[in-house]
Amino acid sequence: SQTIHQWPATLVQPVGSPLSLECTVEGTSNPNLYWYRQAAGRGLQLLFYSVGIGQISSEVPQNLSASRPQDRQFILSSKKLLLSDSGFYLCAQTGQGAYGYTFGSGTRLTVV
Amino acid sequence: GEDVEQSLFLSVREGDSSVINCTYTDSSSTYLYWYKQEPGAGLQLLTYIFSNMDMKQDQRLTVLLNKKDKHLSLRIADTQTGDSAIYFCAERKIEYGNKLVFGAGTILRVKS
Repeated sequence: SQTIHQWPATLVQPVGSPLSLECTVEGTSNPNLYWYRQAAGRGLQLLFYSVGIGQISSEVPQNLSASRPQDRQFILSSKKLLLSDSGFYLCAQTGQGAYGYTFGSGTRLTVV
Repeated sequence: GEDVEQSLFLSVREGDSSVINCTYTDSSSTYLYWYKQEPGAGLQLLTYIFSNMDMKQDQRLTVLLNKKDKHLSLRIADTQTGDSAIYFCAERKIEYGNKLVFGAGTILRVKS
């Protein structure tokens, strides 16, 4: 079965501080991995996706970056957080066969 | 384009049927999905439909697909208070690492 671990569940950070959110997955080898952000409990915005180690594609220009140092590890980072980086961050991996994504439980980030 | 559109809000009484609608733009999408998000949680896959199908039923859930009009709907029979959540429609893109494009979500409120 596919499982995604995200941590921390909640995070409060001051403006200008660095950020590192980690996502690790179990199940399929060489999964496609995704970082989404959800603002104000509504729509999902795709931030980054990765089809393999070291391969990162960015969907929107922003203050964040992503890395994939290992097959099942996906990291979202920032050197200096902005207030607008607040939101609910979700990691996902491609499901098996016809299935869509499997999502992690998310990290709620509040930048103060 | 990539737009997936959904109605913003739906309110129903407990025991009634709920119908959540979605329109998408990419006729080459292979799979379409419905996800459910409860407050503060990640997204949970409810059901999916392959693009060559018209209908899929799974217990209380019925998915209807009108490929000509690019219209997808989710019907929940005998809606319960536990069904209150945000429901996301998504289409799967073959390119870009099989990414899913999500609608903005429909808030379903069930009144007892």
